[in-house]
Amino acid sequence: DVKVTQSSRYLVKRTGEKVFLECVQDMDHENMFWYRQDPGLGLRLIYFSYDVKMKEKGDIPEGYSVSREKKERFSLILESASTNQTSMYLCASSLYEAGTGEAFFGQGTRLTVV
Amino acid sequence: SQQGEEDPQALSIQEGENATMNCSYKTSINNLQWYRQNSGRGLVHLILIRSNEREKHSGRLRVTLDTSKKSSSLLITASRAADTASYFCATKGGSQGNLIFGKGTKLSVKP
Repeated sequence: DVKVTQSSRYLVKRTGEKVFLECVQDMDHENMFWYRQDPGLGLRLIYFSYDVKMKEKGDIPEGYSVSREKKERFSLILESASTNQTSMYLCASSLYEAGTGEAFFGQGTRLTVV
Repeated sequence: SQQGEEDPQALSIQEGENATMNCSYKTSINNLQWYRQNSGRGLVHLILIRSNEREKHSGRLRVTLDTSKKSSSLLITASRAADTASYFCATKGGSQGNLIFGKGTKLSVKP
């Protein structure tokens, strides 16, 4: 059974902290994505990666960075967490380029920055 | 940049009834996907319909696509309480990596 696993379901961090959100997939997918989901705004793409060490900015990359050192792992980094980064974060992976085939999502990480 | 827009935003029905959700999009597409999200969880892929298809079925799901109107609909027949969730349509965005989601329809099925 295909699986995308996010390291935490719930996370509470303080303003200014450096935060790492980890995502691992076991499907040997080339493409991995980080979205954030907010009420009234839907899902918005932060960053994506189509290969190891490759990354591309999505619609809202400001305040975030990513790392993809291994094919199965895609990390989202909040360099200095702020309260406006309180959100639900969703990681996804897909075999094909986005929109061409099915994307598989992790269970989500609800991050609260206080 | 939002591509898909679902309608209605919320839908409440009784178990056994059919639920219909609509999605409109702005630009030409190769395919359109529907996803489901249970409260506080990740999204699960339901069905993909290609631009040359008009209708597709999967179990109790029926999806239609009208490329001339840039719209799609998702029909869930004989709904169950377990169908309670948010439903999103998604299409490919302008850049390579972007799968753009609408804001979703929140379906509530009462037992």
